[in-house]
Amino acid sequence: SQQGEEDPQALSIQEGENATMNCSYKTSINNLQWYRQNSGRGLVHLILIRSNEREKHSGRLRVTLDTSKKSSSLLITASRAADTASYFCATSTVGANSKLTFGKGITLSVRP
Amino acid sequence: DADVTQTPRNRITKTGKRIMLECSQTKGHDRMYWYRQDPGLGLRLIYYSFDVKDINKGEISDGYSVSRQAQAKFSLSLESAIPNQTALYFCATSGTVKGNQPQHFGDGTRLSIL
Repeated sequence: SQQGEEDPQALSIQEGENATMNCSYKTSINNLQWYRQNSGRGLVHLILIRSNEREKHSGRLRVTLDTSKKSSSLLITASRAADTASYFCATSTVGANSKLTFGKGITLSVRP
Repeated sequence: DADVTQTPRNRITKTGKRIMLECSQTKGHDRMYWYRQDPGLGLRLIYYSFDVKDINKGEISDGYSVSRQAQAKFSLSLESAIPNQTALYFCATSGTVKGNQPQHFGDGTRLSIL
């Protein structure tokens, strides 16, 4: 069963614009992680936010976590064509001992 | 060289055949995982192993088996392949700090069962 649900399922933006992707989950978490998958490749870890953190930055990425709403958002600022990929949120739930449950993913297309 | 290597990258085989997918890692991680990815369904966990003597079933283990031959090697077997096992399979590793480690993925094996 899916723990994380991303929204929207697909997003198309112009290069230079910001991209915001959302993830909602159902049960208490230890942490939430975002991954990127380029076509034909494995997933690459982008950022991890712990349950006691509210916001985290890494380069052009900004992740927020609202545990009261059981939701997270990933913001990519000043997008580039190279950001075109699928993005997945994954949750590590309490008691799951480092297992991750992945959402279905968001397909981001950045037009040059 | 890739930290997590999967072989083969592509495989086409027939229903009923036995298939083994292999994964090796140079990251020195104790924890290894096998996932399958289907269009529109995200990744689902098949089996995972926290050390050489530890094997655990994931969400969808039926029809699959695994072997953890060494810290660096974790193989996935389909004893008698069926068409609905056609999917993209990923191996991943993670460190041992409980609950707060990212996973590192190989580039996948695309498996087609006719």
